[in-house]
Amino acid sequence: GPKVLQIPSHQIIDMGQMVTLNCDPVSNHLYFYWYKQILGQQMEFLVNFYNGKVMEKSKLFKDQFSVERPDGSYFTLKIQPTALEDSAVYFCASSLSGEGAEQFFGPGTRLTVL
Amino acid sequence: TQTVSQSDAHVTVFEGDSVELRCNYSYGGSIYLSWYIQHHGRGLQFLLKYYSGNPVVQGVNGFEAEFSKSDSSFHLRKASVHWSDSAVYFCAAGYTGANTGKLTFGHGTILRVHP
Repeated sequence: GPKVLQIPSHQIIDMGQMVTLNCDPVSNHLYFYWYKQILGQQMEFLVNFYNGKVMEKSKLFKDQFSVERPDGSYFTLKIQPTALEDSAVYFCASSLSGEGAEQFFGPGTRLTVL
Repeated sequence: TQTVSQSDAHVTVFEGDSVELRCNYSYGGSIYLSWYIQHHGRGLQFLLKYYSGNPVVQGVNGFEAEFSKSDSSFHLRKASVHWSDSAVYFCAAGYTGANTGKLTFGHGTILRVHP
């Protein structure tokens, strides 16, 4: 079936550095999402993106976070600067429509901030 | 604020057994509910959803779930499990009417199926 890819699978960086997580969504999908899962905790919504704009973001989506999808390429999550509490697995998802639609998830990027 | 709770962190059964994974939600408005499965090292995969209509919904691989407004529940069931059903199962809820697609997840239930 359709697949969402995430690059890289693991990333280790020093606190204060910038990191960009890349997501290659399903090709005809229009809605894009980032979720964050800290080890041992539930997955939590960060942000969703449609038609070039953020539609909704949670309180976890700090000012240091940004998302974009320039020219239909990767959907990216940038964190600048990173903090220790940003260590988590970040899951990208995409869907054809918004409400009620099946979301297709990538395998996640494990981010470790030292 | 909507919350999704999965009361069982772990469920262990034998192949051929039936299983029920529980999900309860709290929300004051109108929601839709889904179940996703995650095999080790992979992304979540959609199993089924309830949006409206028949409260019993069928999903892939013999899974079904039943929505109950009175119990605020959306339990997942399978009549006869296979060892390959071993995975983490997540219940998720979304708002209707907002069209953002945002999902709120439970903590997940780890299902272990012994051969």
